[in-house]
Amino acid sequence: DAMVIQNPRYQVTQFGKPVTLSCSQTLNHNVMYWYQQKSSQAPKLLFHYYDKDFNNEADTPDNFQSRRPNTSFCFLDIRSPGLGDAAMYLCATSRATGGRYNEQFFGPGTRLTVL
Amino acid sequence: EDQVTQSPEALRLQEGESSSLNCSYTVSGLRGLFWYRQDPGKGPEFLFTLYSAGEEKEKERLKATLTKKESFLHITAPKPEDSATYLCAVKNTGRRALTFGSGTRLQVQP
Repeated sequence: DAMVIQNPRYQVTQFGKPVTLSCSQTLNHNVMYWYQQKSSQAPKLLFHYYDKDFNNEADTPDNFQSRRPNTSFCFLDIRSPGLGDAAMYLCATSRATGGRYNEQFFGPGTRLTVL
Repeated sequence: EDQVTQSPEALRLQEGESSSLNCSYTVSGLRGLFWYRQDPGKGPEFLFTLYSAGEEKEKERLKATLTKKESFLHITAPKPEDSATYLCAVKNTGRRALTFGSGTRLQVQP
């Protein structure tokens, strides 16, 4: 089945220790997104890629970076995690066609704990 | 700035007790309103897309409707397995990303 896969599902890191989260998709969608979701809150968009075009949200901290080496993979790098970065990180994909951005499909998420 | 407000924040129903969840939105040029279901510790699961006022979509016990200011997710004769958080999101003409509401936590008791 076509899907969005995130690894690892659970990640524990230490304060200030860099961490990388991974997302892959078999849907062949041209848009990939990274969201941060804290408990009982709405998902908050960090950035997205339209093909290779990177789009950062204005309020995304510089501590968060992303890479998309090919259509299928996208990575979220947190350079110096703080306690406030503990959250669920969601990857999503969608297909943009003729100016219409279709529904987004989400992966299962990576739960990040910062000690 | 786009805004999405969902109500109630939490809803507890008895099995078989029908109800509706509300999603009020303010957006500059709606290009789609999306409903998702999210189970604890999991990513949101896509349910429906609505594009224009008057549009309705149905799936099993769920029915989504759309007006120019709000959307409703009607749940008919819910079962315990319908327990989840239901998220509403909108997309406007100028952004590629969605703006999400905070969700309604639904609990259906047997």
